Amino acid sequence: QVQLVESGGGVVQPGRSLRLSCVASGSTFSNYGMHWVRQAPGKGLEWVAVISSDGSNEYYVDSVKGRFTISRDNSKNTLYLQMNDLRDEDTAVYYCAKSRASSVYNSGDYWGQGTQVTVSS
Amino acid sequence: DIVMTQSPDSLAVSLGERATINCKSSRSLLYSSNNKNYLAWYQQKPGQPPKLLIYWASNRESGVPDRFSGSGSGTDFTLTINSLQAADVAVYYCQQYFSIPFTFGPGTIVDVK
Repeated sequence: QVQLVESGGGVVQPGRSLRLSCVASGSTFSNYGMHWVRQAPGKGLEWVAVISSDGSNEYYVDSVKGRFTISRDNSKNTLYLQMNDLRDEDTAVYYCAKSRASSVYNSGDYWGQGTQVTVSS
Repeated sequence: DIVMTQSPDSLAVSLGERATINCKSSRSLLYSSNNKNYLAWYQQKPGQPPKLLIYWASNRESGVPDRFSGSGSGTDFTLTINSLQAADVAVYYCQQYFSIPFTFGPGTIVDVK
């Protein structure tokens, strides 16, 4: 059974940085693309970024381009999201999700429980 | 960006009855090279992460009860829950993964009447 466990969330001031991690177990991590999806309080789901299985391709929603970086370490079965220049509107629960296949053009079949990021002065 | 809309915003259905949720995309999600619709459906219960129900518009994910079914092609899609159970009370989202950014619909709340 695949398990994804996020960590690294917290309360941070606007303009500061945070790095989220997502540790995967129960599958061959390096075979699958990985997504980050967020959910602001009381709101719907917003796709944030995706990275291919080998880390060679990464894509972002416009609102985080240039501020967030998705990366992975397949030797550690870990996905990352480096978030810089955080804004109030980045406040959300951040979920990592495993892609159903190596391609990034796929749905997320396993999701972590999420980690809360709060941007506030 | 592809805009996803859902209807209705919410619905209340009697136990054992059928619930139907519609999802519309601003562009076709059908990729002609493989004849697949890049559309997924998720269920989210309060305090929980989303759960994948349907992928490629009509393929049920392993372990998902067969009362859940997906249909449609191109720009119009439907999630049907046959014989609604109390455990199906949740918010349902459609998502397109045809074009980046992968966008979600606003969600449909399903409740018991």
